[in-house]
Amino acid sequence: QKEVEQNSGPLSVPEGAIASLNCTYSDRGSQSFFWYRQYSGKSPELIMSIYSNGDKEDGRFTAQLNKASQYVSLLIRDSQPSDSATYLCAVNSPASGGSYIPTFGRGTSLIVHP
Amino acid sequence: KAGVTQTPRYLIKTRGQQVTLSCSPISGHRSVSWYQQTPGQGLQFLFEYFSETQRNKGNFPGRFSGRQFSNSRSEMNVSTLELGDSALYLCASASGGQNSPLHFGNGTRLTVT
Repeated sequence: QKEVEQNSGPLSVPEGAIASLNCTYSDRGSQSFFWYRQYSGKSPELIMSIYSNGDKEDGRFTAQLNKASQYVSLLIRDSQPSDSATYLCAVNSPASGGSYIPTFGRGTSLIVHP
Repeated sequence: KAGVTQTPRYLIKTRGQQVTLSCSPISGHRSVSWYQQTPGQGLQFLFEYFSETQRNKGNFPGRFSGRQFSNSRSEMNVSTLELGDSALYLCASASGGQNSPLHFGNGTRLTVT
């Protein structure tokens, strides 16, 4: 059973702080890693993808991947109240016929308070 | 580019009925996946279609089925509805490659009474 684990939170940070969200996965064959943001009552939207070890930065967001430790994280710098949402970690693992299936963690709820 | 379109947005059904949900993917995307989201279980994979063929299937009973048409539009059907089928059903499209992220529709909120 392929698993993706996230701390459900809520993670509460003050405005302007760095929010750190973490995710571990069980399948060593996993190739691609994604972070989605889901506002309450809305559908998930992609915010970051990462495919190789190291850091990837996009604006205030930095994704970090360590395949040896089976660990992926998302840092949000200068957190804003509008960042308050549930963050879903998704991991693509090999499936049948050369395809890949994403497995989602249950998400971490982030609250950024003014 | 138009996003993923799901219809209807809301449905209320009674136990034992069946329901069909529809999804139109982003133009050019050949992969369509369906997910069930509930507060207790999170996002659960139902199945994926690629070029009209079911490529992968999650651990859901046979009451859940789907299909994909030649224009990549997809439908999902749930027969003999149970109270536990109440959930948000999300459709997502992707180009289909290894590194392709999912693009989600707005979902269909199904309530079974």
